[in-house]
Amino acid sequence: DTAVSQTPKYLVTQMGNDKSIKCEQNLGHDTMYWYKQDSKKFLKIMFSYNNKELIINETVPNRFSPKSPDKAHLNLHINSLELGDSAVYFCASSLQRQGKLFFGSGTQLSVL
Amino acid sequence: QQPVQSPQAVILREGEDAVINCSSSKALYSVHWYRQKHGEAPIFLMILLKGGEQKGHDKISASFNEKKQQSSLYLTASQLSYSGTYFCGTENTDKLIFGTGTRLQVFP
Repeated sequence: DTAVSQTPKYLVTQMGNDKSIKCEQNLGHDTMYWYKQDSKKFLKIMFSYNNKELIINETVPNRFSPKSPDKAHLNLHINSLELGDSAVYFCASSLQRQGKLFFGSGTQLSVL
Repeated sequence: QQPVQSPQAVILREGEDAVINCSSSKALYSVHWYRQKHGEAPIFLMILLKGGEQKGHDKISASFNEKKQQSSLYLTASQLSYSGTYFCGTENTDKLIFGTGTRLQVFP
């Protein structure tokens, strides 16, 4: 069983489109995250939810909207996609805030 | 505020040792270490807490010096499976800030 699963694995789309990435964890963790890894491999936190509440919202354009329907799910919706949004997006979870992170396999987003 | 890692890249032969350093401009309360293989997700290696403790994981160990705001990862007798990019992560309020990364390649 995959601990943290995210879909889709690859997403190729045109500028201006809206897309969503879904994430689910079956580890019983209470905190979930979205990280963005750019072409230089830098990993930057975008959002964090603890028990469905948003606790971290980095300086991310408001075109990015996370939603956590329950503790096991965290989705990311992106409106009006731009070229600069191309990156690998990782979902992660941890048992506590700042605990050991378990990452999903990543979603490679390519905006053309 | 992103921790700076050095070196940026390391090339080793199997059996050689390596040290990866992580420096922060802010006070550290804990340091995480992760390894990411090409095309895969980062995998947790270890967490070090305040107190200068050194932890080990197989032939990979790490130290943490909170006074110097630094941590070092030691890879002993490297194996081919050690290849990948290593990231340190430092706590900042409620979030983990990852370092700049060190790419390690081990050749036979």
